[in-house]
Amino acid sequence: EAQVTQNPRYLITVTGKKLTVTCSQNMNHEYMSWYRQDPGRGLRQIYYSMNVEVTDKGDVPEGYKVSRKEKRNFPLILESPSPNQTSLYFCASKGLAAGTNNEKLFFGSGTQLSVL
Amino acid sequence: GESVGLHLPTLSVQEGDNSIINCAYSNSASDYFIWYKQESGKGPQFIIDIRSNMDKRQGQRVTVLLNKTVKHLSLQIAATQPGDSAVYFCAEMDTGRRALTFGSGTRLQVQP
Repeated sequence: EAQVTQNPRYLITVTGKKLTVTCSQNMNHEYMSWYRQDPGRGLRQIYYSMNVEVTDKGDVPEGYKVSRKEKRNFPLILESPSPNQTSLYFCASKGLAAGTNNEKLFFGSGTQLSVL
Repeated sequence: GESVGLHLPTLSVQEGDNSIINCAYSNSASDYFIWYKQESGKGPQFIIDIRSNMDKRQGQRVTVLLNKTVKHLSLQIAATQPGDSAVYFCAEMDTGRRALTFGSGTRLQVQP
């Protein structure tokens, strides 16, 4: 089944303790991105990657790092998490939907992060 | 600063009625628009898209209307069902920059 898988689903941590949220897609998509979703706001893009070893800042990159060493994986790294990074995070990949010429974003199920 | 506990605009409709969810976008350079549905505890799911060279596109029970003059997008859901209850987001894309910007969302509540 074509999907985007992110782990963990829920994570509670403390300020300053490095963490990584993993994201993997099995659709051979070149484009992947990370979003955060906060109450009353739409999804805001953190970082995106157009292909392996190519990453760029989105709208809210401060406090985050990413890496894209291989096509299928795009981990999100918080070197020193802070309480304002408590949020719901979504990974997504973009590619052609089956049988169409349109690119579509496929989202993971989300990671709810709480930083105490 | 950021507000805490902002509530989404909510549209409440009766089962079987038609629903119209509206979205205003800001970037005149946006040329591709998408509606997503997000159910509780899940990631957003693609519903329908439209390119800026069109003003209407229909899918199964859904229609998207685009008015570029006033930078307005709407999603119409025919014969709304309880399973349509979710938060709906519009997104705009400037395909030249490949940047996708999401709206803040509207909660649709379908009353049985």
